[in-house]
Amino acid sequence: KNQVEQSPQSLIILEGKNCTLQCNYTVSPFSNLRWYKQDTGRGPVSLTIMTFSENTKSNGRYTATLDADTKQSSLHITASQLSDSASYICVVSARGNTPLVFGKGTRLSVIA
Amino acid sequence: DAGVTQSPTHLIKTRGQHVTLRCSPISGHKSVSWYQQVLGQGPQFIFQYYEKEERGRGNFPDRFSARQFPNYSSELNVNALLLGDSALYLCASSFRDSPNQPQHFGDGTRLSIL
Repeated sequence: KNQVEQSPQSLIILEGKNCTLQCNYTVSPFSNLRWYKQDTGRGPVSLTIMTFSENTKSNGRYTATLDADTKQSSLHITASQLSDSASYICVVSARGNTPLVFGKGTRLSVIA
Repeated sequence: DAGVTQSPTHLIKTRGQHVTLRCSPISGHKSVSWYQQVLGQGPQFIFQYYEKEERGRGNFPDRFSARQFPNYSSELNVNALLLGDSALYLCASSFRDSPNQPQHFGDGTRLSIL
């Protein structure tokens, strides 16, 4: 069964600190992996999208890594800001016309 | 350019009623997908439409239906509402229905069933 598991479920960090969120997936055959940021009450916003051949991609202070062999991805946030408080959702796409598989997300709270 | 727009933003219904949710994709996008997001969970796929044809359906009962219009906007209909239908309903659009196409989400319709 295609699944995406994220950890931790929630995380609290101090402003200015770094953090890393984890994503493990069993989706096959793999097409791409995306990280989305979802503010409370808003729709998800794309941060990165990586295909099989890409093992790292950055978007400002966000850096995603992908290990297609172990089926793991991480999202690293550098120098966190209060506005980074949100849910971060890992989404994996299989090849062919199949629906995206969403993780449950990691709820990040950045405090002053 | 406007992003994906959804209406209404909030809706309160009672059990047994029906509801219609609307979505306007980004201009030029021909694929629209609908998702249900229960509080604390990731979105669950309901439908995908491309060029007015259904291209995918998730594991939802027949009470859920959708359609796409010639201008690529879309409606999601839910009949005989249950308490468990309370959720954020998200619409996402993309230019094509390829799995590598980035999906752009609207801010959703918050549906509450009393």
